[in-house]
Amino acid sequence: EVQLVESGGGLVQPGGSLRLSCTASGFSFISFWMSWVRQAPGKGLEWVANIKQDGSEKSYVDSVKGRFTISRDNAKKSLDLQMNSLRVEDTAVYYCARVWDDFLSGYYTPSWIDPWGQGTLVTVSS
Amino acid sequence: QSALTQPASVSGSPGQSITISCTGTSSDVGSYNLVSWYQQFPGKAPKVMIYEGSKRPSGVSNRFSGSKSGNTASLTISGLQAEDEADYYCCSYAGSNTFVFGGGTKLTVL
Repeated sequence: EVQLVESGGGLVQPGGSLRLSCTASGFSFISFWMSWVRQAPGKGLEWVANIKQDGSEKSYVDSVKGRFTISRDNAKKSLDLQMNSLRVEDTAVYYCARVWDDFLSGYYTPSWIDPWGQGTLVTVSS
Repeated sequence: QSALTQPASVSGSPGQSITISCTGTSSDVGSYNLVSWYQQFPGKAPKVMIYEGSKRPSGVSNRFSGSKSGNTASLTISGLQAEDEADYYCCSYAGSNTFVFGGGTKLTVL
């Protein structure tokens, strides 16, 4: 069974840091892009970051660039999100997710997301 | 990286068909056939219902279908059932290895 389990969420003050982790099992972790997606309380989904299979390519939503860093350890089948300079508006449930890709114009391109972890809540508040 | 536009809510009676639209731009929906749709129940993780515009993952009912015309993608649910009541989100590849989601649509089954 494919499983993604997030950890590391909690309460942090504005300006603080937090590191989220996701442990994968049940599939060939090294074969997939991975993603973080967040959902603020009562709001919609927002894509946060993607990382390629070998970690050589990373992409971020503009609002977290320079503050968040996505990384992976293929030997440990783990995905991380280092979050620095946290803001109140970063408060959300953060989902770890597996990304399926499509061969498009000579490149393997992130295409769709499945499955998702259960999510971990990050609350940024003083 | 502007969010895709979805109606905030749609509703329908059991047995009817409904369509949820998802409007983007020529930089995302219009440029790639890489739109996916997700169903989310309160307090639960999203689940993919349609990927690459119109493909259904194994296990998803054939009552769910997807299409695209220009910068607008659509999710149609036919033979509406009470269990379909949920939030639905579209998502598109937006270039440079990024995704963009729609704001979400709350489906109410009357």
